[in-house]
Amino acid sequence: SSELTQDPAVSVALGQTVRITCQGDSLRSYYASWYQQKPGQAPVLVIYGKNNRPSGIPDRFSGSSSGNTASLTITGAQAEDEADYYCNSRDSSGNPHYVFGTGTKVTVL
Amino acid sequence: QVQLVQSGAEVKKPGSSVKVSCKASGGTFSSYAISWVRQAPGQGLEWMGGIIPIFGTANYAQKFQGRVTITADESTSTAYMELSSLRSEDTAVYYCARVGYIVATKAYWFDPWGQGTLVTVSS
Repeated sequence: SSELTQDPAVSVALGQTVRITCQGDSLRSYYASWYQQKPGQAPVLVIYGKNNRPSGIPDRFSGSSSGNTASLTITGAQAEDEADYYCNSRDSSGNPHYVFGTGTKVTVL
Repeated sequence: QVQLVQSGAEVKKPGSSVKVSCKASGGTFSSYAISWVRQAPGQGLEWMGGIIPIFGTANYAQKFQGRVTITADESTSTAYMELSSLRSEDTAVYYCARVGYIVATKAYWFDPWGQGTLVTVSS
């Protein structure tokens, strides 16, 4: 089955830019989607498709993709962006299965 | 806007089964897939399986094959996830989520999510 690998943790100074990456073979076939999860809360979709933000997600969140790597960038990180972030994509096996990344803890300093 | 509301927390004995519900309101239910995702304490997200209600056929992650059953009732816009032969490692928050998609661009995503259901397995 597919796997998606993320760095376990990153930190960013308030107002600076941070990039979170997600690597996996399935990303050569499917776009990643990205989720923000704060403690005790359900995940929230922040990026999907090529670089689409759901209504209500600030434009400081953006996504990109190249080869087997997808990236989520937070430009001008805010204190409220401190959270766990997970990528996800459909499995490249052809079945309607999905796989989540290992997750990245973002700390805003 | 679609909202997904899940059933309440459960405490189960090892070896028993649990059935969690996920009721949709405010939008189309039958033609979108519903997936189930779980998160053990302090761990990441794990996709368990899903169903497209209008077709009724479920797909399961290999890890859960034979232990999980996902169903949907179109008449009540409710999806269900039943996990059997419970063990302590199944203690987790279980989420349902609707799967959005743009097939032409191979983009799939989970939105919205239910609020989560804590299932505790303990003797």
